[in-house]
Amino acid sequence: GAGVSQSPSNKVTEKGKDVELRCDPISGHTALYWYRQSLGQGLEFLIYFQGNSAPDKSGLPSDRFSAERTGGSVSTLTIQRTQQEDSAVYLCASSLGLAGVHTQYFGPGTRLTVL
Amino acid sequence: AQSVAQPEDQVNVAEGNPLTVKCTYSVSGNPYLFWYVQYPNRGLQFLLKYITGDNLVKGSYGFEAEFNKSQTSFHLKKPSALVSDSALYFCAVSPNNNAGNMLTFGGGTRLMVKP
Repeated sequence: GAGVSQSPSNKVTEKGKDVELRCDPISGHTALYWYRQSLGQGLEFLIYFQGNSAPDKSGLPSDRFSAERTGGSVSTLTIQRTQQEDSAVYLCASSLGLAGVHTQYFGPGTRLTVL
Repeated sequence: AQSVAQPEDQVNVAEGNPLTVKCTYSVSGNPYLFWYVQYPNRGLQFLLKYITGDNLVKGSYGFEAEFNKSQTSFHLKKPSALVSDSALYFCAVSPNNNAGNMLTFGGGTRLMVKP
């Protein structure tokens, strides 16, 4: 079946602009995760959803970052007033459930470049 | 807090030789441990995981990993390396609870297999 898909694959934006990154999880996966991969910070967790609910937003780097999930499926990560330090690859993953036994399957990522 | 260490930034091995990529972890309780591989400009691809049971876990593409609780290690191994195994490898740990189970990643190890 289809894996996790993300769009766009690449996004170049100017400092101060808002961007939206989209994640389409594997069908039937109730848990959805966002991570960020950058040269300086490695792979870091941002936020997770169980259904449409995000119980823990503490991983978001600043209040410029927000995420939502609708219909228990597609998720959008929004970065407002982008800064150059936001440049990174944003990875989405989904799994059957929250329990740690469930494997997280990753999408190809969105490479964000802030000029 | 949980953490993962991959002590080698790069591992070089000749094709046909055995390979080992090291990983040690720190987590409260019994961990869930994972290995992922990342090819250039691609997302993370799941290789294998340890949940419980046999300490030796077999995964995709002939890879295996051994869970060693006393040494808190989960080294990735393969008996005979292929040039196509050259990639970036990430070890990750997930806590054994129901609070999201977000993955904490090591810094990654670049594996270079030379013909």
